[in-house]
Amino acid sequence: ETGVTQSPTHLIKTRGQQVTLRCSSQSGHNTVSWYQQALGQGPQFIFQYYREEENGRGNFPPRFSGLQFPNYSSELNVNALELDDSALYLCASSPPRGSGGVNTGELFFGEGSRLTVL
Amino acid sequence: GQNIDQPTEMTATEGAIVQINCTYQTSGFNGLFWYQQHAGEAPTFLSYNVLDGLEEKGRFSSFLSRSKGYSYLLLKELQMKDSASYLCAVRDGGATNKLIFGTGTLLAVQP
Repeated sequence: ETGVTQSPTHLIKTRGQQVTLRCSSQSGHNTVSWYQQALGQGPQFIFQYYREEENGRGNFPPRFSGLQFPNYSSELNVNALELDDSALYLCASSPPRGSGGVNTGELFFGEGSRLTVL
Repeated sequence: GQNIDQPTEMTATEGAIVQINCTYQTSGFNGLFWYQQHAGEAPTFLSYNVLDGLEEKGRFSSFLSRSKGYSYLLLKELQMKDSASYLCAVRDGGATNKLIFGTGTLLAVQP
């Protein structure tokens, strides 16, 4: 069983540029969420995708957008990058509710994409 | 508002027991999670509590009191590899699986 994978692992951009981060969810997981983790902080919820639709959003501006594809993989796009966007971006997937066994709805995180904005 | 508080840093000795506390005030509640995160790595799931009481899982136990908005993570027989950040997170009561995280407690285990 393949876990959550993210790419790229590290990248450097300059202010005003745009970035796309990619995530492949764990096999059988149909829900993907994205979190931003600044240095020394806990992850902050950006948004969640289910069945290719955004079904929840945190306190992030519209220049943060996303997509989910039919195979449940996902992208996070950030436009007009700012210095404060420098962070670790974590993708997490979760299985369908009621998928059998003990399902706590826990999130399974990828290793993250570390973005540095100069 | 949403607020989750946990100590910033803790230090403990190898072989000892440490308790990491977490208090929360959230608009909704649908479970509390503890995650472990080593530097530069992804958070990994440790425990889940949705009802009051203690959940035990090997060397790790987690306790929840919903009326007090309080949880703790207990780590026994500490090992050097337990040095990591421990994140307390509450799942809100909405339609999403959204987790609200605390800032994390950085635990240093010393020989």
